[in-house]
Amino acid sequence: KNEVEQSPQNLTAQEGEFITINCSYSVGISALHWLQQHPGGGIVSLFMLSSGKKKHGRLIATINIQEKHSSLHITASHPRDSAVYICAAADLMDSNYQLIWGAGTKLIIKP
Amino acid sequence: NAGVMQNPRHLVRRRGQEARLRCSPMKGHSHVYWYRQLPEEGLKFMVYLQKENIIDESGMPKERFSAEFPKEGPSILRIQQVVRGDSAAYFCASSPRSALGYTFGSGTRLTVV
Repeated sequence: KNEVEQSPQNLTAQEGEFITINCSYSVGISALHWLQQHPGGGIVSLFMLSSGKKKHGRLIATINIQEKHSSLHITASHPRDSAVYICAAADLMDSNYQLIWGAGTKLIIKP
Repeated sequence: NAGVMQNPRHLVRRRGQEARLRCSPMKGHSHVYWYRQLPEEGLKFMVYLQKENIIDESGMPKERFSAEFPKEGPSILRIQQVVRGDSAAYFCASSPRSALGYTFGSGTRLTVV
């Protein structure tokens, strides 16, 4: 069983829909990261969370430490949101820099 | 304030040649991480460096790969005698301190022919 699991693996939605991507982890973490990888390959760090909720534009990330679960939401989705979204956990028992990566969620937003 | 700069963006090498990948961290960031992404796979940690020090190279192949982060200049990931299996995207990230606020570069796509 992977230590960081994402769902769904693939998600196709229509423009304007509310998107939720989930991330569950089994390790104790010091922080959880959400990253976006565009079709061209570049990676953007979206959020780093250790508790609660963060918002940036149309993106919202939440984390429930007790349930070891995080979600990334996209409101009013747009075709330019099409990308792979990856969650990565910084293991509390590790040296705090080797991230444990989820497999990614490939999101396609159709116009 | 420029982000993490990686160059070249694309690199083609013949088998047996050397590949040098450069990463300039964000201004004020003293921690650099290299990750490799093989085709259709996730990112895998390779090495973590601070200025003039390799902190952890547990993800680096034992042979042909080396990394440095000198006092002046970019971090360099060096692959000697490249083989086809080295073809991948190599990403560099930097942070102001360990695991805090990673910023990724756009990556270098290495193709070995």
